[in-house]
Amino acid sequence: AQKITQTQPGMFVQEKEAVTLDCTYDTSDQSYGLFWYKQPSSGEMIFLIYQGSYDEQNATEGRYSLNFQKARKSANLVISASQLGDSAMYFCAMRESYSGGYQKVTFGTGTKLQVIP
Amino acid sequence: DAGVTQSPTHLIKTRGQQVTLRCSPKSGHDTVSWYQQALGQGPQFIFQYYEEEERQRGNFPDRFSGHQFPNYSSELNVNALLLGDSALYLCASSFDRREAFFGQGTRLTVV
Repeated sequence: AQKITQTQPGMFVQEKEAVTLDCTYDTSDQSYGLFWYKQPSSGEMIFLIYQGSYDEQNATEGRYSLNFQKARKSANLVISASQLGDSAMYFCAMRESYSGGYQKVTFGTGTKLQVIP
Repeated sequence: DAGVTQSPTHLIKTRGQQVTLRCSPKSGHDTVSWYQQALGQGPQFIFQYYEEEERQRGNFPDRFSGHQFPNYSSELNVNALLLGDSALYLCASSFDRREAFFGQGTRLTVV
């Protein structure tokens, strides 16, 4: 079963507008972490924001915020005031812990965001 | 402070050959993970190294092996290359279960 689901293969947003990228996840763990990464055409994965499963408040990092709804198992990324440089692939990822404390990170299939001038 | 560095950036190999990719983690990071990203897909976890041992492994055949050195740098080795091994290989480093920082990747093309 897919553990991270991103249902939007592509999104368009007007410059300076806000956009929400959807992510749902599936896990039986009580302790897990959720991440969003940005991947420009150059290929490097850039860390954007992190939400722990026990964090009560939604994470925010500058123009990025994570809308965490635990009961619905969703972790949507909100980008406010979009900029042309935000055009990229965006990946949602989940970290699960295994015995011994070691972890594995599972990525979704990504959403390609294009910002229109 | 240098981030995660990977070498080489691009590589072309012939089917059946062997390849070694290298990764230097971000300063202060002791855990290295490797991912394979096929075109148009999300990264797939290959394995994770900590204290010079493989700690977790994804669904990849034994042709994929790795190593971590005392200075925390790591190598990914792929034997008997197949056309389907063509992908972007990403290395990520982390410390104490915090967020992983990625390198720019090595783009491997198998012909």
